[in-house]
Amino acid sequence: AQSVAQPEDQVNVAEGNPLTVKCTYSVSGNPYLFWYVQYPNRGLQFLLKYITGDNLVKGSYGFEAEFNKSQTSFHLKKPSALVSDSALYFCAVRDMNTGNTPLVFGKGTRLSVIA
Amino acid sequence: AAGVIQSPRHLIKEKRETATLKCYPIPRHDTVYWYQQGPGQDPQFLISFYEKMQSDKGSIPDRFSAQQFSDYHSELNMSSLELGDSALYFCASSITGTGGYTFGSGTRLTVV
Repeated sequence: AQSVAQPEDQVNVAEGNPLTVKCTYSVSGNPYLFWYVQYPNRGLQFLLKYITGDNLVKGSYGFEAEFNKSQTSFHLKKPSALVSDSALYFCAVRDMNTGNTPLVFGKGTRLSVIA
Repeated sequence: AAGVIQSPRHLIKEKRETATLKCYPIPRHDTVYWYQQGPGQDPQFLISFYEKMQSDKGSIPDRFSAQQFSDYHSELNMSSLELGDSALYFCASSITGTGGYTFGSGTRLTVV
């Protein structure tokens, strides 16, 4: 079975400071890993994904994430946070070797960037 | 580029009524997924279709059913609506093996 853990319900960071949103995963085989952002009353917006290749993945709006196989982690990072980054962030995973199985989402982490 | 289209965007129904949500996947995507996101919750997988056949089933209530049609659009049918069915319903589509999923903007269902 696949699962995702986002250990922090809420992350607060000052504008201009670096931010990290944590995610760990569990799959039987190799993972496809994703980050999505959701603004209030809006849909899921794709940020970035890891399929294969470089462990450091760069995505939209200056976000990046590092795949760490030994720690089964895929933490989301940004060097300098903006107030407009305040939103709900979801990590998601599926097993690469199981055809077209659905994504499994974490519980989400609410990021609050304070001016 | 074309995205996943969901209709309607908003829907208000009374208890015990029925609702039909529609999803139009990206052309040539062979798999459609339905998710339910309750208030303050993470998206929960309901059901998926691969080439018009049901491929996976998640936490979909028996009151709900879904199908995918010959033109690849999908519909989620919800009967005997309950207050707890109020949620954001997402559809996503993908091409098998690519690892890419595209989500629609969702349908917000409110049951009163």
